[in-house]
Amino acid sequence: DSGVTQTPKHLITATGQRVTLRCSPRSGDLSVYWYQQSLDQGLQFLIQYYNGEERAKGNILERFSAQQFPDLHSELNLSSLELGDSALYFCASSVGRVGETQYFGPGTRLLVL
Amino acid sequence: QKEVEQDPGPLSVPEGAIVSLNCTYSNSAFQYFMWYRQYSRKGPELLMYTYSSGNKEDGRFTAQVDKSSKYISLFIRDSQPSDSATYLCAMSSGNQFYFGTGTSLTVIP
Repeated sequence: DSGVTQTPKHLITATGQRVTLRCSPRSGDLSVYWYQQSLDQGLQFLIQYYNGEERAKGNILERFSAQQFPDLHSELNLSSLELGDSALYFCASSVGRVGETQYFGPGTRLLVL
Repeated sequence: QKEVEQDPGPLSVPEGAIVSLNCTYSNSAFQYFMWYRQYSRKGPELLMYTYSSGNKEDGRFTAQVDKSSKYISLFIRDSQPSDSATYLCAMSSGNQFYFGTGTSLTVIP
């Protein structure tokens, strides 16, 4: 158990809908990272927040947004969902900003029908 | 060209063998090099990280980074059936994070 929690574990929804994924980092970690893992693309970095502020952005679509709250938990919002958004979404956390030691949560499996 | 290239395998070895896993990369700005282990679509687990070039050893695992060749390796000594998993290399410049697609390893008892 990495100490990172993610909810829900599974999510099934329809195209065009909006969902919110939630992540609680390890105690003491200030950075939260979001990743998407699909079978054909591997693990893709989406975005990083450090102590409530956006720090780095990867291949995150404009339909996706995230935020980190004062208690350091984070939410990833996915809107106007498409079939191709079906994937595993992982959250990771680290103590510092650089992210060389990231601890991953168990993931949320999203299926868009 | 992908930022990180990793042979997907699959790799199958007998128990006790030495396993060599490798990745190449194209971005010379990468400074942090990591190896993760992932069991059947669970969350990746950090095995080792290295800053810049050099070797790092932790138990049965050794990580090597050759920045001049843009090549990193993970060696697993005395491999065990419990090492059967997908191994992901990862690299970072400090504000961007790139993962290889993973090498699937099976250690046969």
